[in-house]
Amino acid sequence: AQKVTQAQTEISVVEKEDVTLDCVYETRDTTYYLFWYKQPPSGELVFLIRRNSFDEQNEISGRYSWNFQKSTSSFNFTITASQVVDSAVYFCALRGGSGGSNYKLTFGKGTLLTVNP
Amino acid sequence: EPEVTQTPSHQVTQMGQEVILRCVPISNHLYFYWYRQILGQKVEFLVSFYNNEISEKSEIFDDQFSVERPDGSNFTLKIRSTKLEDSAMYFCASSGRGGYTFGSGTRLTVV
Repeated sequence: AQKVTQAQTEISVVEKEDVTLDCVYETRDTTYYLFWYKQPPSGELVFLIRRNSFDEQNEISGRYSWNFQKSTSSFNFTITASQVVDSAVYFCALRGGSGGSNYKLTFGKGTLLTVNP
Repeated sequence: EPEVTQTPSHQVTQMGQEVILRCVPISNHLYFYWYRQILGQKVEFLVSFYNNEISEKSEIFDDQFSVERPDGSNFTLKIRSTKLEDSAMYFCASSGRGGYTFGSGTRLTVV
């Protein structure tokens, strides 16, 4: 069984602060994929990143960065110099890679980030 | 960039009525999915579809639900007799070599 835990239900920061959203996962697959999605108030799921289990390099995209650590089964997401437009619910998700047609995503419960001006 | 298209964006239906949610997946993707998100909760997997048949379904996907790919482009989710607890956002997704893409969702309200 696969599981994703986002222990932080809500985070509130002031604009320009850095913020880290935690994600811990469980899987028996040796190959798997991790995702982060942003869900703004309008409701759609906006893809942010996909990382496969063989690639532990950290990634940076503008103000966003991701820290993948297999040793602790974590895939944390940091927003540097947060902005009001970053306010949204952020979901971490896991997809198994065991082959066949089982490619469903297992989502965490999400973290509501509020960035105050 | 290719998109997954869902229609309608909002649907209100009376309890007991049948509803069909429609999706057009990305054309070169082979795997299709429906997910559900009850307001304020996490996104939950309903069903996956590959090679014209269901490949996996969750315990949520009971006999009231069905999926179909009626032609080469559409992928539909039918709820036969809607209940109040079916009110949720329903997301269609498709996946292939290019990635895993979600549609913008259909917000279903059962009254």
